[in-house]
Amino acid sequence: DQQVKQNSPSLSVQEGRISILNCDYTNSMFDYFLWYKKYPAEGPTFLISISSIKDKNEDGRFTVFLNKSAKHLSLHIVPSQPGDSAVYFCAASDDLSEGSARQLTFGSGTQLTVLP
Amino acid sequence: EAGVAQSPRYKIIEKRQSVAFWCNPISGHATLYWYQQILGQGPKLLIQFQNNGVVDDSQLPKDRFSAERLKGVDSTLKIQPAKLEDSAVYLCASSLGGVSEKLFFGSGTQLSVL
Repeated sequence: DQQVKQNSPSLSVQEGRISILNCDYTNSMFDYFLWYKKYPAEGPTFLISISSIKDKNEDGRFTVFLNKSAKHLSLHIVPSQPGDSAVYFCAASDDLSEGSARQLTFGSGTQLTVLP
Repeated sequence: EAGVAQSPRYKIIEKRQSVAFWCNPISGHATLYWYQQILGQGPKLLIQFQNNGVVDDSQLPKDRFSAERLKGVDSTLKIQPAKLEDSAVYLCASSLGGVSEKLFFGSGTQLSVL
Protein backbone atom coordinates (compact mmCIF):
# COMPACT_ATOMS: atom_id res chain seq x y z
CA ASP A 1 0.00 0.00 0.00
CA GLN A 2 1.72 3.14 -1.26
CA GLN A 3 1.01 5.99 1.10
CA VAL A 4 2.92 8.51 -1.03
CA LYS A 5 2.41 8.39 -4.78
CA GLN A 6 4.14 10.10 -7.63
CA ASN A 7 2.19 9.04 -10.68
CA SER A 8 4.45 10.57 -13.31
CA PRO A 9 7.67 8.57 -13.68
CA SER A 10 9.15 11.21 -15.98
CA LEU A 11 8.74 14.81 -17.10
CA SER A 12 10.52 16.78 -19.82
CA VAL A 13 10.54 20.57 -19.84
CA GLN A 14 12.23 23.20 -21.95
CA GLU A 15 14.87 25.34 -20.26
CA GLY A 16 13.35 28.54 -18.86
CA ARG A 17 9.87 27.10 -18.58
CA ILE A 18 8.05 25.95 -15.46
CA SER A 19 8.40 22.40 -14.15
CA ILE A 20 5.52 21.06 -12.07
CA LEU A 21 6.00 17.82 -10.19
CA ASN A 22 3.04 16.27 -8.42
CA CYS A 23 2.60 14.07 -5.36
CA ASP A 24 -0.44 12.52 -3.71
CA TYR A 25 -0.71 10.94 -0.28
CA THR A 26 -3.29 8.81 1.47
CA ASN A 27 -2.29 8.95 5.14
CA SER A 28 -4.17 11.79 6.84
CA MET A 29 -1.70 11.66 9.75
CA PHE A 30 1.09 13.07 7.59
CA ASP A 31 1.81 16.62 8.68
CA TYR A 32 5.18 17.41 7.16
CA PHE A 33 6.24 17.07 3.56
CA LEU A 34 9.61 17.28 1.87
CA TRP A 35 11.07 17.15 -1.59
CA TYR A 36 14.43 15.55 -2.22
CA LYS A 37 16.50 15.69 -5.39
CA LYS A 38 18.73 12.83 -6.50
CA TYR A 39 21.48 12.82 -9.09
CA PRO A 40 22.84 9.51 -10.45
CA ALA A 41 25.25 7.72 -8.11
CA GLU A 42 24.53 10.17 -5.32
CA GLY A 43 22.24 10.06 -2.30
CA PRO A 44 19.07 12.17 -2.19
CA THR A 45 19.59 15.77 -1.05
CA PHE A 46 16.99 17.89 0.70
CA LEU A 47 15.38 20.54 -1.46
CA ILE A 48 12.39 22.12 0.25
CA SER A 49 9.75 21.28 2.84
CA ILE A 50 6.34 22.38 4.01
CA SER A 51 4.38 21.96 7.20
CA SER A 52 0.69 21.08 7.07
CA ILE A 53 -0.16 24.40 8.72
CA LYS A 54 0.93 26.16 5.54
CA ASP A 55 -0.25 25.90 1.96
CA LYS A 56 2.82 27.35 0.28
CA ASN A 57 6.54 27.57 0.88
CA GLU A 58 8.99 29.29 -1.43
CA ASP A 59 12.76 29.13 -1.70
CA GLY A 60 14.27 30.87 -4.68
CA ARG A 61 13.18 29.12 -7.86
CA PHE A 62 11.42 26.38 -5.90
CA THR A 63 7.90 26.57 -4.51
CA VAL A 64 5.94 23.80 -2.86
CA PHE A 65 2.14 23.95 -2.67
CA LEU A 66 0.06 21.84 -0.31
CA ASN A 67 -3.65 21.10 -0.72
CA LYS A 68 -4.61 19.19 2.42
CA SER A 69 -8.22 18.60 1.46
CA ALA A 70 -7.08 16.92 -1.76
CA LYS A 71 -4.07 15.28 -0.09
CA HIS A 72 -1.94 16.66 -2.87
CA LEU A 73 1.27 18.62 -3.08
CA SER A 74 3.26 19.95 -5.97
CA LEU A 75 6.73 21.32 -6.58
CA HIS A 76 7.14 24.20 -9.00
CA ILE A 77 10.51 25.09 -10.46
CA VAL A 78 10.68 28.44 -12.25
CA PRO A 79 12.64 28.93 -14.39
CA SER A 80 13.83 25.40 -15.04
CA GLN A 81 17.55 24.93 -15.74
CA PRO A 82 19.42 21.97 -17.26
CA GLY A 83 21.14 21.44 -13.88
CA ASP A 84 17.72 20.69 -12.40
CA SER A 85 17.63 17.43 -14.35
CA ALA A 86 17.43 14.76 -11.63
CA VAL A 87 15.00 12.41 -9.92
CA TYR A 88 12.70 14.22 -7.50
CA PHE A 89 11.25 12.35 -4.54
CA CYS A 90 8.29 13.48 -2.51
CA ALA A 91 8.42 12.39 1.15
CA ALA A 92 6.08 12.70 4.10
CA SER A 93 6.20 12.17 7.84
CA ASP A 94 3.75 12.00 10.72
CA ASP A 95 3.94 12.96 14.37
CA LEU A 96 3.66 9.47 15.79
CA SER A 97 7.29 8.97 16.70
CA GLU A 98 6.81 9.97 20.35
CA GLY A 99 9.78 12.24 20.62
CA SER A 100 12.13 10.28 18.40
CA ALA A 101 13.26 11.62 15.07
CA ARG A 102 10.60 11.23 12.45
CA GLN A 103 10.57 8.68 9.68
CA LEU A 104 10.05 9.60 6.08
CA THR A 105 7.82 7.72 3.64
CA PHE A 106 8.96 8.30 0.06
CA GLY A 107 7.19 8.29 -3.26
CA SER A 108 8.66 6.45 -6.23
CA GLY A 109 10.17 9.55 -7.79
CA THR A 110 9.84 11.58 -10.98
CA GLN A 111 12.71 11.90 -13.43
CA LEU A 112 12.85 15.53 -14.56
CA THR A 113 14.74 16.33 -17.74
CA VAL A 114 15.27 19.98 -18.60
CA LEU A 115 16.11 20.37 -22.25
CA PRO A 116 18.50 23.17 -23.31
CA GLU B 1 30.99 19.74 7.35
CA ALA B 2 31.64 16.16 6.29
CA GLY B 3 28.64 14.30 4.96
CA VAL B 4 27.40 10.78 5.58
CA ALA B 5 30.06 8.29 4.52
CA GLN B 6 29.20 4.85 3.17
CA SER B 7 31.29 1.97 1.91
CA PRO B 8 31.66 0.12 -0.30
CA ARG B 9 30.15 2.01 -3.24
CA TYR B 10 29.48 -1.16 -5.21
CA LYS B 11 29.24 -4.81 -4.33
CA ILE B 12 28.53 -7.83 -6.48
CA ILE B 13 27.84 -11.17 -4.82
CA GLU B 14 26.17 -14.44 -5.63
CA LYS B 15 22.94 -15.48 -3.99
CA ARG B 16 23.30 -17.15 -0.61
CA GLN B 17 26.52 -15.25 0.08
CA SER B 18 26.76 -12.68 2.86
CA VAL B 19 27.56 -8.99 2.58
CA ALA B 20 28.07 -6.06 4.96
CA PHE B 21 27.71 -2.33 4.48
CA TRP B 22 29.23 0.38 6.63
CA CYS B 23 27.99 3.88 7.45
CA ASN B 24 29.54 6.81 9.30
CA PRO B 25 26.93 9.51 9.96
CA ILE B 26 27.45 13.24 10.28
CA SER B 27 29.16 14.06 13.55
CA GLY B 28 26.66 14.78 16.31
CA HIS B 29 23.69 13.25 14.52
CA ALA B 30 21.81 11.10 17.01
CA THR B 31 19.53 9.35 14.54
CA LEU B 32 20.68 6.97 11.86
CA TYR B 33 18.57 5.26 9.20
CA TRP B 34 19.10 2.50 6.68
CA TYR B 35 16.96 2.65 3.57
CA GLN B 36 16.65 0.20 0.69
CA GLN B 37 15.99 1.63 -2.76
CA ILE B 38 15.01 -0.84 -5.44
CA LEU B 39 15.31 0.38 -9.03
CA GLY B 40 12.28 2.46 -10.01
CA GLN B 41 11.04 2.79 -6.45
CA GLY B 42 11.51 5.28 -3.66
CA PRO B 43 13.69 4.58 -0.62
CA LYS B 44 12.07 2.24 1.90
CA LEU B 45 13.03 2.39 5.57
CA LEU B 46 14.67 -0.73 6.92
CA ILE B 47 15.75 0.36 10.39
CA GLN B 48 16.05 3.51 12.50
CA PHE B 49 18.49 4.00 15.39
CA GLN B 50 18.39 6.69 18.04
CA ASN B 51 21.95 6.82 19.43
CA ASN B 52 22.73 3.10 19.74
CA GLY B 53 19.17 1.92 20.36
CA VAL B 54 16.73 0.64 17.75
CA VAL B 55 13.65 2.86 17.32
CA ASP B 56 11.98 0.94 14.51
CA ASP B 57 13.00 -2.23 12.69
CA SER B 58 9.51 -3.34 11.71
CA GLN B 59 10.37 -3.46 8.00
CA LEU B 60 13.71 -5.22 8.39
CA PRO B 61 13.62 -8.85 7.14
CA LYS B 62 15.14 -10.17 10.33
CA ASP B 63 15.61 -13.69 9.03
CA ARG B 64 18.41 -12.44 6.80
CA PHE B 65 19.11 -8.79 7.63
CA SER B 66 20.79 -7.48 10.76
CA ALA B 67 22.10 -4.07 11.76
CA GLU B 68 23.95 -2.54 14.64
CA ARG B 69 25.16 0.86 15.60
CA LEU B 70 28.45 0.83 17.42
CA LYS B 71 28.71 3.22 20.37
CA GLY B 72 25.98 5.37 18.86
CA VAL B 73 28.14 6.41 15.90
CA ASP B 74 29.03 4.06 13.01
CA SER B 75 26.61 1.44 11.80
CA THR B 76 26.79 -1.78 9.82
CA LEU B 77 24.03 -3.50 7.88
CA LYS B 78 24.47 -7.18 7.06
CA ILE B 79 22.62 -9.53 4.75
CA GLN B 80 23.08 -13.26 5.22
CA PRO B 81 22.21 -15.10 3.04
CA ALA B 82 21.50 -12.75 0.16
CA LYS B 83 18.66 -13.31 -2.30
CA LEU B 84 18.26 -12.04 -5.85
CA GLU B 85 15.54 -9.60 -4.71
CA ASP B 86 18.03 -7.90 -2.36
CA SER B 87 19.62 -6.20 -5.37
CA ALA B 88 19.18 -2.52 -4.60
CA VAL B 89 20.91 0.62 -3.42
CA TYR B 90 21.32 0.70 0.34
CA LEU B 91 21.23 4.25 1.64
CA CYS B 92 22.34 5.40 5.04
CA ALA B 93 20.99 8.67 6.39
CA SER B 94 21.38 10.64 9.59
CA SER B 95 19.63 13.48 11.32
CA LEU B 96 19.98 15.51 14.47
CA GLY B 97 17.11 13.57 15.97
CA GLY B 98 14.34 14.97 18.07
CA VAL B 99 11.73 16.51 15.81
CA SER B 100 14.16 17.36 13.02
CA GLU B 101 12.74 16.02 9.81
CA LYS B 102 15.67 16.76 7.53
CA LEU B 103 17.66 13.67 6.69
CA PHE B 104 21.12 13.77 5.18
CA PHE B 105 21.89 10.82 2.92
CA GLY B 106 25.10 9.12 1.96
CA SER B 107 25.83 8.14 -1.64
CA GLY B 108 24.68 4.59 -1.02
CA THR B 109 25.98 1.11 -1.76
CA GLN B 110 24.84 -0.47 -5.00
CA LEU B 111 24.35 -4.20 -4.37
CA SER B 112 23.94 -6.68 -7.18
CA VAL B 113 23.04 -10.25 -6.26
CA LEU B 114 23.63 -12.71 -9.11
